[in-house]
Amino acid sequence: GQNIDQPTEMTATEGAIVQINCTYQTSGFNGLFWYQQHAGEAPTFLSYNVLDGLEEKGRFSSFLSRSKGYSYLLLKELQMKDSASYLCAVHDYKLSFGAGTTVTVRA
Amino acid sequence: DAGVTQSPTHLIKTRGQHVTLRCSPISGHKSVSWYQQVLGQGPQFIFQYYEKEERGRGNFPDRFSARQFPNYSSELNVNALLLGDSALYLCASSFGGENTEAFFGQGTRLTVV
Repeated sequence: GQNIDQPTEMTATEGAIVQINCTYQTSGFNGLFWYQQHAGEAPTFLSYNVLDGLEEKGRFSSFLSRSKGYSYLLLKELQMKDSASYLCAVHDYKLSFGAGTTVTVRA
Repeated sequence: DAGVTQSPTHLIKTRGQHVTLRCSPISGHKSVSWYQQVLGQGPQFIFQYYEKEERGRGNFPDRFSARQFPNYSSELNVNALLLGDSALYLCASSFGGENTEAFFGQGTRLTVV
């Protein structure tokens, strides 16, 4: 079975940093994706981790520990447009998603 | 370069009817996957097709079926619609293989009344 957990909601101030944690227990694992989804829109790709460690992409970074079944997405220098749902997804030929974390950025 | 396109964007159906949703993958992509996203939840895997063969199926009833055509486009069919089938249906395309990024279409918003 697949079990992917992430917090439901997080709130932060513009310019701050937020870390979204994701823990997973899955029957297969080829890698872990993070997607951003604005309300009513399709998910858009943010990052992909296959090996342990930190992947940095501009204001967004993602970390993976396969032995711990743990990942996090780090959003730096938060902007209002970052208010969205962030989805953690384990890849094993298909994507198994967590329920998503709604991030609200306040001025 | 066109991304993943889905049609229609919105649809309203009555309980008991059937519906066909369509997806055109990114040019060169051979794998298409379908997901159902109910409001407030993450997308749930329905089907994956690769090179016109079904590669996997999620935990959905037999009322859900799909196919992939020689040009790699795909259709998702749902028969005997239930109110609970109301959701955003997402299509994702990729090159295929183990470590390839999936690109999502804008989705079809299905409402069953």
